[in-house]
Amino acid sequence: GDSVTQMEGPVTLSEEAFLTINCTYTATGYPSLFWYVQYPGEGLQLLLKATKADDKGSNKGFEATYRKETTSFHLEKGSVQVSDSAVYFCASLVNNKLTFGGGTRVLVKP
Amino acid sequence: NAGVMQNPRHLVRRRGQEARLRCSPMKGHSHVYWYRQLPEEGLKFMVYLQKENIIDESGMPKERFSAEFPKEGPSILRIQQVVRGDSAAYFCASSAGTEGYEQYFGPGTRLTVT
Repeated sequence: GDSVTQMEGPVTLSEEAFLTINCTYTATGYPSLFWYVQYPGEGLQLLLKATKADDKGSNKGFEATYRKETTSFHLEKGSVQVSDSAVYFCASLVNNKLTFGGGTRVLVKP
Repeated sequence: NAGVMQNPRHLVRRRGQEARLRCSPMKGHSHVYWYRQLPEEGLKFMVYLQKENIIDESGMPKERFSAEFPKEGPSILRIQQVVRGDSAAYFCASSAGTEGYEQYFGPGTRLTVT
């Protein structure tokens, strides 16, 4: 079945550091890929998406590139802020169902 | 443009009671999805509905759980005879279309069974 694997956290960084969260997927068919962010006590917010190989999704300084050859969709940000502290979820979409990774908690310290 | 709305935000039920969770999709969206976030298990798909139709319920527990999305009004996720293991955050999402359309999530309903 479909699955998404992402690096376990927590990831603790200093402000202005570089952030990478690895994500790989297995899927039947050709999924669309997403990153969602969840702040404490809230729902999931769509961060970015990519629908086909080599697409790059970007938003709020975050980027991720759909790599079909490595079945990956790693999330990166060049300079994190304290406000980026949250849980990040990688997800694949096939047949209208999102399959989520386990989530990666990111803590950015001032 | 209001986002996906869910109510209640927090719900406490005793074992054996019924829980009703409501979801109003974003304006213009006719596709609704329910997901459950269990402690230590992550987010899992439960059911996908369109108006008056259940399209995919492959993630729904076989007993006690049901969902509907009537012609008028919000989508309802109903859990009968709740047990402690039902304690979780239940999220609703909606989309404007299928296959590749992004799903937008509501704030969730946190169900606690005592």
